[in-house]
Amino acid sequence: NAGVMQNPRHLVRRRGQEARLRCSPMKGHSHVYWYRQLPEEGLKFMVYLQKENIIDESGMPKERFSAEFPKEGPSILRIQQVVRGDSAAYFCASSPGAGTPYEQYFGPGTRLTVT
Amino acid sequence: DQQVKQNSPSLSVQEGRISILNCDYTNSMFDYFLWYKKYPAEGPTFLISISSIKDKNEDGRFTVFLNKSAKHLSLHIVPSQPGDSAVYFCAASPQGAQKLVFGQGTRLTINP
Repeated sequence: NAGVMQNPRHLVRRRGQEARLRCSPMKGHSHVYWYRQLPEEGLKFMVYLQKENIIDESGMPKERFSAEFPKEGPSILRIQQVVRGDSAAYFCASSPGAGTPYEQYFGPGTRLTVT
Repeated sequence: DQQVKQNSPSLSVQEGRISILNCDYTNSMFDYFLWYKKYPAEGPTFLISISSIKDKNEDGRFTVFLNKSAKHLSLHIVPSQPGDSAVYFCAASPQGAQKLVFGQGTRLTINP
């Protein structure tokens, strides 16, 4: 019973390049969430998706960031033209459905370093 | 605008004693609260949760207390074990929303 899977675990990009982070939710889970953790801080919500739908993107930066969760395949968080400030750990979580008390189950994270 | 605050960045407790981690929140619209535990280079792991209609929830060595009037919750771990050494995050869910709002975390160290 695999948990939430994220790849790559570590990603190094030069300023101006694109970063693509992938997340496969737990089996049977149809809801995906992305969070970002800057050094010495808590996790900050970015976006909540269901299959083929963005439900809440209130935490996404207005520019350069996008997310999708296609009908087939993993959820993708895309960061275009990365800058040093994008360096962080990006965590994906999944849940079986909406509404409390569904807890969110987290993957191991992708650590993005922008040089 | 830190809606969920964990004011103690670190806590050190003797093995076998009680660990008490605290969390304060400002948003009255939070209706569900959770505690997560995180080891280095891993994702947060769900520990225990509590609905705003309750004031206590217990699961084995872990108990969460909620004081709505004070907008305060706490996690009690008893007895504390060396494997409990980790960073603990308090999180809250706004009513009608699926996102979690996290505190900054408290690093718990259990000393033998």
